[in-house]
Amino acid sequence: GQQVMQIPQYQHVQEGEDFTTYCNSSTTLSNIQWYKQRPGGHPVFLIQLVKSGEVKKQKRLTFQFGEAKKNSSLHITATQTTDVGTYFCAGAVPWGKLQFGAGTQVVVTP
Amino acid sequence: GAGVSQSPRYKVAKRGQDVALRCDPISGHVSLFWYQQALGQGPEFLTYFQNEAQLDKSGLPSDRFFAERPEGSVSTLKIQRTQQEDSAVYLCASRRRGGAISDTDTQYFGPGTRLTVL
Repeated sequence: GQQVMQIPQYQHVQEGEDFTTYCNSSTTLSNIQWYKQRPGGHPVFLIQLVKSGEVKKQKRLTFQFGEAKKNSSLHITATQTTDVGTYFCAGAVPWGKLQFGAGTQVVVTP
Repeated sequence: GAGVSQSPRYKVAKRGQDVALRCDPISGHVSLFWYQQALGQGPEFLTYFQNEAQLDKSGLPSDRFFAERPEGSVSTLKIQRTQQEDSAVYLCASRRRGGAISDTDTQYFGPGTRLTVL
């Protein structure tokens, strides 16, 4: 079945630095979604990517979907303490079931 | 408007007890999903409803797990004879439409129910 892997598992970042987290699937994805979960909170939808090679930006966050639709990345520039949390990617089947990766837990050092 | 709500927020059960977890999706949302999230892991799909029809229950771990959505709105996830390995956060999510997803039709998650089985 479909497997979604995320690296790194943990990311320690100095405030102001940039970092990237990666998501890889064993199969071609129809689309990929990214979620953020704050400690003690629930997943909050960030973005959905559908097209091969698609790039979307949300302020300091840049999301990319690979040309083969098997990988994706999230790049955050000028990290802030508000970026703390776990970032999940999830591959979706057409009717909406999500296959989540294990997440990248981000810790920001002031 | 109100988001997805779940109750109780926290539940402690003794091993062997039955529990019932409730999800109130966003009003009018057709699709409803249940996920199980173990500590330090991503959510794992349990089951999916489109209105009152349970179209996919492939993620339910065992026959001790049962979900229903009899009127196509509120859903209940029931776990019989709870075991320690059932300890997790149970998340409910809803989506406005059924069928194929679109660029603007996303899932909204509730706050979850944290179940601890002693």
